[in-house]
Order: sequence, then structure tokens, then C-alpha cells
Amino acid sequence: AQKVTQAQTEISVVEKEDVTLDCVYETRDTTYYLFWYKQPPSGELVFLIRRNSFDEQNEISGRYSWNFQKSTSSFNFTITASQVVDSAVYFCALSEAVGSGYSTLTFGKGTMLLVSP
Amino acid sequence: KAGVTQTPRYLIKTRGQQVTLSCSPISGHRSVSWYQQTPGQGLQFLFEYFSETQRNKGNFPGRFSGRQFSNSRSEMNVSTLELGDSALYLCASSLGYNQETQYFGPGTRLLVL
Repeated sequence: AQKVTQAQTEISVVEKEDVTLDCVYETRDTTYYLFWYKQPPSGELVFLIRRNSFDEQNEISGRYSWNFQKSTSSFNFTITASQVVDSAVYFCALSEAVGSGYSTLTFGKGTMLLVSP
Repeated sequence: KAGVTQTPRYLIKTRGQQVTLSCSPISGHRSVSWYQQTPGQGLQFLFEYFSETQRNKGNFPGRFSGRQFSNSRSEMNVSTLELGDSALYLCASSLGYNQETQYFGPGTRLLVL
């Protein structure tokens, strides 16, 4: 069975600090997808990134960057120069192929990020 | 494109009642998945529908059921509500092929008294 572990329950930083959210996963699939979602207090899960298991290139999008390392089964997320608006719960998720072409998401427990001014 | 919409946004019920939640996916998306989010268990998969057929089901009792209509809108029903059913119920839509990204709605917060 697949599993996603986000060991950091809560992180508090001051604005402009860099912060890294850790994600470790377990799966027996050779083809899988990894995701990060952001959940602000309003409750809606906002999609941030999707990464295929065959693509280990790091990705940068503005202040956000992702480090995918298959050797350590990790998919970490870094926010550079954090801002108060980054305060939210962040979820890492793993997609497992259940049948032909479809899948279900397994989520980690989430990391609550608090950015204070 | 409009995002995923869910109605109602908030709901209060009493034990033993039943409830129906609705989800309208992004236009063109044929897959709708439902998740339950609670502080204790986190986000858990309930079921997924594609072209009016349930393709996958999570580990929930039979009191939880769903359906999908020909326009891809979906409803989930919980019968004989229990206090433990209090949760945020999230609906997500996707095209339904090859593990594409699931896009989530704002959720329905259900409180069972």
C-alpha cells in the first residue's frame, strides 16, 4: 500500500525567511505522480504542482521550488522569501494507478505553515 | 473556466438524519472524486465516478453512497448520520485519464449534532 509522510506538523517562520516542507512517500508502483496542494483557511485545496516519477528535474515557479529525489523517495517543497499570504496547510499527495488510466490520491497529514509579519 | 462548485457550503444535521451533497465539476471533466477530511484521519478517499459509473471506492461503510449524472455532476449521500461523520467533504474533478491533476472544490462543512 502506498503511504505519504509529512513529518512536520507545524512550522512557524517570520516573513522573508525561506522554508522547506518535507514529504516522503512509499509506493511499489514504478509509474506514479506526486502532487502538492495548498489549503488556506477557506478550505479549498489549491493545486500547486504535479510531477511524474520519471521526471526528476527540480522545478522552480516564482518563489516556489520543488526537489524530487527518487533515491530517497522524497519530494520536498521550498518557499523562498515567505510571505504572510503563504500561511496555509500544505499537503503532499501520491497518485497510484488503480485501473486502466485512473487513480486515487493518497495524502499526507499536511504541514501547517504560519508566516508572521 | 469556472472551477469546481459544491453545495451547500455548510450544513448542520442531527444524528440519524441523512444528507445529500452536490458537486459540479469543471466543464469537460468526466471524473469526480469525493474525499472526507477530519482532524483525526486527515484526507481520505471516498469514491470516484467516471461517466456515471463508480470506478473506485474507499474504505467507508455502506452508509456513504454516491452517483453521477450524465452531465458529470455528482452527488454523495450519507444515511443514518453519526457524530463521527462531521467533516469537510471535498469534491475533485479531472479529465479522468492517466492520473491527471484533480482540482478541488471549496468543500461542504457538515456538522452532525
